[in-house]
Amino acid sequence: SAVISQKPSRDICQRGTSLTIQCQVDSQVTMMFWYRQQPGQSLTLIATANQGSEATYESGFVIDKFPISRPNLTFSTLTVSNMSPEDSSIYLCSVGDRFQETQYFGPGTRLLVL
Amino acid sequence: AQSVAQPEDQVNVAEGNPLTVKCTYSVSGNPYLFWYVQYPNRGLQFLLKYITGDNLVKGSYGFEAEFNKSQTSFHLKKPSALVSDSALYFCAAYNFNKFYFGSGTKLNVKP
Repeated sequence: SAVISQKPSRDICQRGTSLTIQCQVDSQVTMMFWYRQQPGQSLTLIATANQGSEATYESGFVIDKFPISRPNLTFSTLTVSNMSPEDSSIYLCSVGDRFQETQYFGPGTRLLVL
Repeated sequence: AQSVAQPEDQVNVAEGNPLTVKCTYSVSGNPYLFWYVQYPNRGLQFLLKYITGDNLVKGSYGFEAEFNKSQTSFHLKKPSALVSDSALYFCAAYNFNKFYFGSGTKLNVKP
């Protein structure tokens, strides 16, 4: 399985600011995924990021609010823009295995917006 | 709509007793089925998956899951619970390049 790291592990931010979350994988992967896990809730897919192309966003998520970069096959960033307290959540990066049958998750970034 | 249901928000069990965490799914076709565990302040860890074949799947840490196609269920089980099994468990289904996660079940194992 892939080893995935995320930075920062947690942060407390002020309303109206932006935070960029980094995801690093120890192997080259085609697809990387960004999820949000709001307090007491399940995971919601924000977007799928393929290297060399624009990210594909799920319903309810837009690029202006959650811009994503995917500069190479081992790295991706998710920016949470113009934050509000409703953005307080855990943000998780994940990758699929070779056949995209199993997803492996990073440790998550815990964001609190005041 | 495609969905995965975990009917119990919380399951309490005494250490040494068997445990079951329930999951049912409503996903078209023949989805792959998964269980993940999330320990406090950690990401999700893969436990086991069912793709095809034997209905009883064995996974990490002594966990197993039973697939029942007629009931569209994929319940997680362990013969003897440990206090260290206390965590949040997520059931998921994968089909057509998309994952569907259940709402999670908090497992409390008391000594």
